Amino acid sequence: AAGVIQSPRHLIKEKRETATLKCYPIPRHDTVYWYQQGPGQDPQFLISFYEKMQSDKGSIPDRFSAQQFSDYHSELNMSSLELGDSALYFCASSGEDSDYTFGSGTRLTVV
Amino acid sequence: QKEVEQNSGPLSVPEGAIASLNCTYSDRGSQSFFWYRQYSGKSPELIMFIYSNGDKEDGRFTAQLNKASQYVSLLIRDSQPSDSATYLCAVNTAGGYNKLIFGAGTRLAVHP
Repeated sequence: AAGVIQSPRHLIKEKRETATLKCYPIPRHDTVYWYQQGPGQDPQFLISFYEKMQSDKGSIPDRFSAQQFSDYHSELNMSSLELGDSALYFCASSGEDSDYTFGSGTRLTVV
Repeated sequence: QKEVEQNSGPLSVPEGAIASLNCTYSDRGSQSFFWYRQYSGKSPELIMFIYSNGDKEDGRFTAQLNKASQYVSLLIRDSQPSDSATYLCAVNTAGGYNKLIFGAGTRLAVHP
């Protein structure tokens, strides 16, 4: 069965650079969630989208923005990267059956 | 106080024993409760979810929910070394557009 696809799997950026993370939800899932998980931390909710509209917002820095496109994939844009942004970034999707599935994540390292 | 609380562990149990993982939550309006297993550097993997008070069993796993006490637990019977991981409790809070709030996770170590 198709899962949540995230790209890239690994990303290395320098401070003050920009990064774009992509998430392709499970087909027919209409909601996408982004989470950030620092080393030894629990996943922290950043932002979610339902039917291409922002549905909820968590602890997402102003330097970050996200959107969901017409094909339901989502992109997380991160600018002016800081060392503290180094983390695993997970995307999850859900649909009418409330099946909440995570992607494999993107490991971002800021140097 | 965090919205979802877990003992960080590590919880160490011998192979074949029952591992008991506990979680409390603060939002009395919470609707649904999830247990995820996470291996280091990997994404969380859903083990079970529970909506109603009582027990829910799936193979070696049993989730228990007590909404009056705002408490949810996960029992793992016949623990195996491959069960060694971090177990995350997550709660779908009321009015939260289905976002999940995670606890800090409990590290489980099953030793042969």
